[in-house]
Amino acid sequence: SYELTQPPSVSVSPGQTARITCSGDALPKKYAYWYQQKSGQAPVLVIYEDSKRPSGIPERFSGSSSGTMATLTISGAQVEDEADYYCYSTDSSGNHGVFGGGTKLTVL
Amino acid sequence: EVQLVESGGGLVQPGGSLRLSCAASGFIFSSYAMSWVRQAPGKGLEWVSGISGSGGSTYYADSVKGRFTISRDNSKNTLYLQMNSLRAEDTAVYYCAKYRITMVRGVIDSLYMDVWGKGTTVTVSS
Repeated sequence: SYELTQPPSVSVSPGQTARITCSGDALPKKYAYWYQQKSGQAPVLVIYEDSKRPSGIPERFSGSSSGTMATLTISGAQVEDEADYYCYSTDSSGNHGVFGGGTKLTVL
Repeated sequence: EVQLVESGGGLVQPGGSLRLSCAASGFIFSSYAMSWVRQAPGKGLEWVSGISGSGGSTYYADSVKGRFTISRDNSKNTLYLQMNSLRAEDTAVYYCAKYRITMVRGVIDSLYMDVWGKGTTVTVSS
């Protein structure tokens, strides 16, 4: 079955840039999406269609995708950005969703 | 305001069944595909199932295919997940989510969940 691979953890100091990667064989043809999940809460969409930001999401969140890798970038990470981040996409058929394993972002 | 509220979770013995419901409001329910996503304790998100707006097309993760059935009642603005032959590894918080789909020349170009419920907890244990 199709898999998306993320690093388990990323750590940065406040104000630094955090980058979280997501690799998958179908990403050259399928969009990547990014969800933020804080402890005990439902996921929140922070990037869709590789690089678009939903309304209400701070400008410091950005996304990009090249080849088989998508990247979520948080420029000037803040303490409140500490959360688990999941990439999401679909398999080549487009009918089955798949999440990456998640990346725990620590900002301290 | 778009809102999704899950219900029906609880404690069930291995091999048992449970039906989850998701009540939708704030949007034209029948116009949107819907999905279920789960999260086992301390683990990541797992896509479980999806259903088209009409209910005519359904999709399942390999881990639940043949045991779970997704359905919807558009007259009641409600999404369901019938879970049979439950196993300990099905223990999770189950989220209902609304799909957002973009079509280009009749083909799905973009497909993702844009609104989520708060989840309902299913525990499979003897």
